[in-house]
Amino acid sequence: NAGVTQTPKFRVLKTGQSMTLLCAQDMNHEYMYWYRQDPGMGLRLIHYSVGEGTTAKGEVPDGYNVSRLKKQNFLLGLESAAPSQTSVYFCASSYSIRVGTEAFFGQGTRLTVV
Amino acid sequence: GESVGLHLPTLSVQEGDNSIINCAYSNSASDYFIWYKQESGKGPQFIIDIRSNMDKRQGQRVTVLLNKTVKHLSLQIAATQPGDSAVYFCAENRRGSQGNLIFGKGTKLSVKP
Repeated sequence: NAGVTQTPKFRVLKTGQSMTLLCAQDMNHEYMYWYRQDPGMGLRLIHYSVGEGTTAKGEVPDGYNVSRLKKQNFLLGLESAAPSQTSVYFCASSYSIRVGTEAFFGQGTRLTVV
Repeated sequence: GESVGLHLPTLSVQEGDNSIINCAYSNSASDYFIWYKQESGKGPQFIIDIRSNMDKRQGQRVTVLLNKTVKHLSLQIAATQPGDSAVYFCAENRRGSQGNLIFGKGTKLSVKP
């Protein structure tokens, strides 16, 4: 049981380039989330999804797009990368949004935009 | 002016001692709180949670205390071990927020052997 898997683990982009981060979970969870983590700050929610085919904005959505075409996958896209998007990105999933439901996190993707 | 990089609060304890990590939250509508442990190069890992209708919950070597009057949460680790060295985050779920956890900035725990 792999849990939550993120690819790639590391990436360096030039300003203006685009890329897609993939998150896959094998726990049949309905809910999936993308967070970014910056030095000295807690995780901040970028976008989330409450089910296949649905997405919603989180706290810091600007500059990112997401898609949830399949229940097990949640993709995070950067159309035109900026140095401010240098961060560590974490994907998470949970089977419910009800209080008491644990979210499982992936290992993270370290992205550097130069 | 130019922003300065933020440094995480650090708690340094001797192996075998008890550790107490504190967290303040701001929203009285928060109804669920979680403590996560994040080791270097890894994603956050669930440790323990507590609902707002409780003021204490115990797990294996860990205890979470919730004081709603002063909006304060603490994580107590008994007999701290080197493997406990990590960054610890508290997170709160605000009622009606559709599972959007709000994370604190984190505290780095260093355990000296």
